[in-house]
Amino acid sequence: GAVVSQHPSWVICKSGTSVKIECRSLDFQATTMFWYRQFPKQSLMLMATSNEGSKATYEQGVEKDKFLINHASLTLSTLTVTSAHPEDSSFYICSAVKDTGELFFGEGSRLTVL
Amino acid sequence: QQQVKQSPQSLIVQKGGISIINCAYENTAFDYFPWYQQFPGKGPALLIAIRPDVSEKKEGRFTISFNKSAKQFSLHIMDSQPGDSATYFCAASMNNQGGKLIFGQGTELSVKP
Repeated sequence: GAVVSQHPSWVICKSGTSVKIECRSLDFQATTMFWYRQFPKQSLMLMATSNEGSKATYEQGVEKDKFLINHASLTLSTLTVTSAHPEDSSFYICSAVKDTGELFFGEGSRLTVL
Repeated sequence: QQQVKQSPQSLIVQKGGISIINCAYENTAFDYFPWYQQFPGKGPALLIAIRPDVSEKKEGRFTISFNKSAKQFSLHIMDSQPGDSATYFCAASMNNQGGKLIFGQGTELSVKP
């Protein structure tokens, strides 16, 4: 299957700092990527839809100024958590849509804000 | 109407037994129903998926049963193995949503040797 890579796989930061998480489709181009957030023992909650070359579409209740999404190329989307606080600590997962319509998930990035 | 309800929350099965996880949805516009397997600290991996034009799909030990009129679908894992112990999520999407998945709450499966 296709490969979607996330980096970093885990990150620890101080409260008030910003953290950038990358999502790359390694062997296919993806005009659409999705960002999810997952708390321990809970389901994946869709945060936003990232479209190459245009603004991301955020789900209701997700602060777009807090979670900046950039999809600058067909293989890369980034999620920046700005002014991170402990409540932002979570597992962030991206997925990318192949031109066949298949969806592939990354391995996730664990963010811990101290 | 966008929800997908999954049960049970947790499941313990003996090795060799059948694991059954159920999901129900409300939105009749959903037309793609995948099941994902997730191990701790990892992203979800697609197990098997079905579209509403068939009532059952089988891939190896995994079978999806789909009941369109009841708006329900289920995952059956035959001959369950300890290596199947993971969290399973059902999901649903509409074709015109370009892969935007709505996930169920998840089922933590534990297969005892």
